[in-house]
Amino acid sequence: SQQGEEDPQALSIQEGENATMNCSYKTSINNLQWYRQNSGRGLVHLILIRSNEREKHSGRLRVTLDTSKKSSSLLITASRAADTASYFCATGLDTGRRALTFGSGTRLQVQP
Amino acid sequence: NAGVTQTPKFQVLKTGQSMTLQCAQDMNHNSMYWYRQDPGMGLRLIYYSASEGTTDKGEVPNGYNVSRLNKREFSLRLESAAPSQTSVYFCASTGLGRSNQPQHFGDGTRLSIL
Repeated sequence: SQQGEEDPQALSIQEGENATMNCSYKTSINNLQWYRQNSGRGLVHLILIRSNEREKHSGRLRVTLDTSKKSSSLLITASRAADTASYFCATGLDTGRRALTFGSGTRLQVQP
Repeated sequence: NAGVTQTPKFQVLKTGQSMTLQCAQDMNHNSMYWYRQDPGMGLRLIYYSASEGTTDKGEVPNGYNVSRLNKREFSLRLESAAPSQTSVYFCASTGLGRSNQPQHFGDGTRLSIL
């Protein structure tokens, strides 16, 4: 079963609006990462937040992490048509397992 | 830099045929991974190699074998392809082999099994 689950599954907004995607997970984590996938391409790493961090920024991206609720959110501000993609959260676990576990993703469509 | 290169990009097989998917990275990374991605789902880990000479099973290893040929290359083999293995396969790598490092992905191999 998937460790991370994104919500919503799909999101359609107008250019210039903000987009918020949420990720929930089940077990204790070491870190949580967000990736973007453009159609027909591989995943591209966006941002990593560690379990002892609550918020992190990178350009137009803002990620929050609430370990008590086992959830994270990705906010993309002032969205652009080029932000159209699928976004995935991935969790790294405390158990020492070296692989990430990916959620099922949010498909974001930004209308020009 | 090419990053992570996967070959082939597309392949159609018949049930029962075998094939090897190739992956190579030029970032001097220690760890490499194979995932499959099915429609509407995230990536599921098939196998990974934390370092040269080691391989470990992931979430969905049945029907697959892997070889870490050297530090650069990690191949995935389907010995007897089944329609359930129709998927997009992604290879990834990371430097230190820990789950708190970003992974770098190839562009995938789209595999159809008839």
